[in-house]
Amino acid sequence: AQSVTQLDSQVPVFEEAPVELRCNYSSSVSVYLFWYVQYPNQGLQLLLKYLSGSTLVKGINGFEAEFNKSQTSFHLRKPSVHISDTAEYFCAVSAGSGTYKYIFGTGTRLKVLA
Amino acid sequence: ETGVTQSPTHLIKTRGQQVTLRCSSQSGHNTVSWYQQALGQGPQFIFQYYREEENGRGNFPPRFSGLQFPNYSSELNVNALELDDSALYLCASSPDDRQETQYFGPGTRLLVL
Repeated sequence: AQSVTQLDSQVPVFEEAPVELRCNYSSSVSVYLFWYVQYPNQGLQLLLKYLSGSTLVKGINGFEAEFNKSQTSFHLRKPSVHISDTAEYFCAVSAGSGTYKYIFGTGTRLKVLA
Repeated sequence: ETGVTQSPTHLIKTRGQQVTLRCSSQSGHNTVSWYQQALGQGPQFIFQYYREEENGRGNFPPRFSGLQFPNYSSELNVNALELDDSALYLCASSPDDRQETQYFGPGTRLLVL
């Protein structure tokens, strides 16, 4: 079985500062990893995903994440945040090919301060 | 290409009632998954349908049921509503050959009084 831990429930950061949102997972099989963003009163939008290959994954809106198999982590980073990045961010894992469900973390609320 | 749509956007029911939520998958997608997102929590997998057959189920009781239609639209039915069923219900669709990526709709917010 897989599980996901998002270590920070809230992360405040000043505009134009860098940010890292942490995600750790556990799984006995190879996994796919995802980051989704949820703006208030909206559904989930895919930011980026790791399926295989390069461990550094680039996504939309300037976000990137690095898959670290030895540390079972998939932390999300952005070098310079904007007010518009204020949202809830969810890390999710699914087992490798042939499995159907996502396991989500509890989310990290990113609040960008002016 | 249209995205995933859900209806209604909001719904208020009372305990013991039944509810049906609807989802229209993204064009060309024949797999749909349903998730429940309680306030302040991450989404939890309810079940998935692939080509009109249930294809996996999470830890939800049988009063949560679903259907997928030939046009790949989908319904989530919940019987005997309980207060704890109050949540945002998300539908996600994925292409047949790329199930690793799911595309989410805006959700239906259900309040049970």
